[in-house]
Amino acid sequence: AQSVTQLDSHVSVSEGTPVLLRCNYSSSYSPSLFWYVQHPNKGLQLLLKYTSAATLVKGINGFEAEFKKSETSFHLTKPSAHMSDAAEYFCVVSSGYNDMRFGAGTRLTVKP
Amino acid sequence: DGGITQSPKYLFRKEGQNVTLSCEQNLNHDAMYWYRQDPGQGLRLIYYSQIVNDFQKGDIAEGYSVSREKKESFPLTVTSAQKNPTAFYLCASSIKGISGTYEQYFGPGTRLTVT
Repeated sequence: AQSVTQLDSHVSVSEGTPVLLRCNYSSSYSPSLFWYVQHPNKGLQLLLKYTSAATLVKGINGFEAEFKKSETSFHLTKPSAHMSDAAEYFCVVSSGYNDMRFGAGTRLTVKP
Repeated sequence: DGGITQSPKYLFRKEGQNVTLSCEQNLNHDAMYWYRQDPGQGLRLIYYSQIVNDFQKGDIAEGYSVSREKKESFPLTVTSAQKNPTAFYLCASSIKGISGTYEQYFGPGTRLTVT
């Protein structure tokens, strides 16, 4: 069985400061891990994915995430927040086409 | 442009009525999915289909039905048996990537309100 826990339901940062969104996972297999972003009343857009290649994964819009097997974590970071980063972020663990588990989401607020 | 379309964006229905949500993709993806999203919760899988004329129940299939007569289309019917149908519904499709990963692409969603 797989599961994913997003450790913060809400994160608030000031524009220009770093962003850290935390995600821990549980999986019996070598998982694939994803981060998606969702703006209000929109679908989900893929930010980045880990597929057992490099442990540091770079995504779109300056985001990156590091896979740490020993800590079962896949935290999402960005060096400098922008107002347009305000959205809901979902961490996802997958072992195949029919087994994707979504975290509950982290709402990111960016203050001017 | 390739992508997934869902229609309508907003849908209002009276309690006791069945309603069908549309999902179309032109990505040539084999697998398609329906998710339900409620405030403060992640996405929960309703149904998925790997190939035409075949589909499987997800975690919360009760009160829903689907069909997959064409590769491009995967409509979802919310029946009157669904106890709490008001939610945001997301359709997705996926294809197996080079790395063996199934990456999902999402439509813009349909917000259903039942009163």
